Amino acid sequence: KQEVTQIPAALSVPEGENLVLNCSFTDSAIYNLQWFRQDPGKGLTSLLLIQSSQREQTSGRLNASLDKSSGRSTLYIAASQPGDSATYLCALWARRGSTLGRLYFGRGTQLTVWP
Amino acid sequence: DTAVSQTPKYLVTQMGNDKSIKCEQNLGHDTMYWYKQDSKKFLKIMFSYNNKELIINETVPNRFSPKSPDKAHLNLHINSLELGDSAVYFCASSQDRGNEQFFGPGTRLTVL
Repeated sequence: KQEVTQIPAALSVPEGENLVLNCSFTDSAIYNLQWFRQDPGKGLTSLLLIQSSQREQTSGRLNASLDKSSGRSTLYIAASQPGDSATYLCALWARRGSTLGRLYFGRGTQLTVWP
Repeated sequence: DTAVSQTPKYLVTQMGNDKSIKCEQNLGHDTMYWYKQDSKKFLKIMFSYNNKELIINETVPNRFSPKSPDKAHLNLHINSLELGDSAVYFCASSQDRGNEQFFGPGTRLTVL
């Protein structure tokens, strides 16, 4: 059974730091993995989507990597800013043989970047 | 230019009532979803429709009934509301199952 874990649950850093958020999964049979951010009282905003065949995706100061063999994805945020403060969630579609399986969400990492 | 919209944004109602939440997407996507986010912020998928056909139906009480009149709309009707139904409900869409998902702003439901 697939389990998606995000550790730590909360992270507080000073502005300007480079930081890494982690997403671990127990079954490497995945179709893709998506990173989201959620601001308080708002919906989820898609950040990056990594297909199973890809190793990383980049968008601006964000870089997401995927290592299926170790069951891990990381979201790297360069030069963090107070505006990056939000909860970051990862979600993955499992693969069931050659078909799409279920969707699993992590519980998120709440990031606070202070000036 | 809202991509995925939901109405209402807030819904406060008494136990036992029946209520509906509406969702619309203008992205031309084929797949739509309903999620429930509980007080601990855990997000759980409830339903998914692909081209108006139900394809995911997680373990959800049958008091919850999704309806998709067309590809661009997926509404959620809830009968006999209970205290435990209080949560934020999110609608989302993607081009197809397994593709990048785009979320609506959420509907905060409070059952008194």
